Amino acid sequence: GQQVMQIPQYQHVQEGEDFTTYCNSSTTLSNIQWYKQRPGGHPVFLIQLVKSGEVKKQKRLTFQFGEAKKNSSLHITATQTTDVGTYFCAGAPNFGNEKLTFGTGTRLTIIP
Amino acid sequence: KAGVTQTPRYLIKTRGQQVTLSCSPISGHRSVSWYQQTPGQGLQFLFEYFSETQRNKGNFPGRFSGRQFSNSRSEMNVSTLELGDSALYLCASSWTGTGLYEQYFGPGTRLTVT
Repeated sequence: GQQVMQIPQYQHVQEGEDFTTYCNSSTTLSNIQWYKQRPGGHPVFLIQLVKSGEVKKQKRLTFQFGEAKKNSSLHITATQTTDVGTYFCAGAPNFGNEKLTFGTGTRLTIIP
Repeated sequence: KAGVTQTPRYLIKTRGQQVTLSCSPISGHRSVSWYQQTPGQGLQFLFEYFSETQRNKGNFPGRFSGRQFSNSRSEMNVSTLELGDSALYLCASSWTGTGLYEQYFGPGTRLTVT
């Protein structure tokens, strides 16, 4: 079955440093979605990428979908304490009835 | 628009018992998916219901079952509880449930099996 891996599993950064998490799928994806889960909370949708090579930005967050549509990355510039949480990518192999498969997640902690 | 609601929020059960969890999706959403989240295993997909039919199923034993009602509300049942079933159970609703649309998660039900 489809597998979606994320690296690193954990990341500790000083406040103000940049952070990147990488997402790799065993199969080609129709789209990639990113979610953020704050400690004690539930996953919240951040963004969806559909096109090969697509790049989207949300303030300090930059999302990229690979050319082969099998990998993606999330980069946060100048991290803040509000960025703390676990970031999940999720994808599906096509736009049919295939379920969304979530990645293993990257937990980000910020050192003030 | 009201978000996804789950009841109960917390539950303590004894090994061998059964439990039923409830999920009310966002109005208009026809798909409900269930996930089990544990510290070591991340988000594990249980199953997805769309228009009262189970459309996708994860790799969980038959002790885990679910159903969806005509108003899109969904229930998940776990029979013969085991200690390893202790987890946060999240449901998520979506317009269609396919990979095309984002999922909206509920706050989850924290199940503890003793």
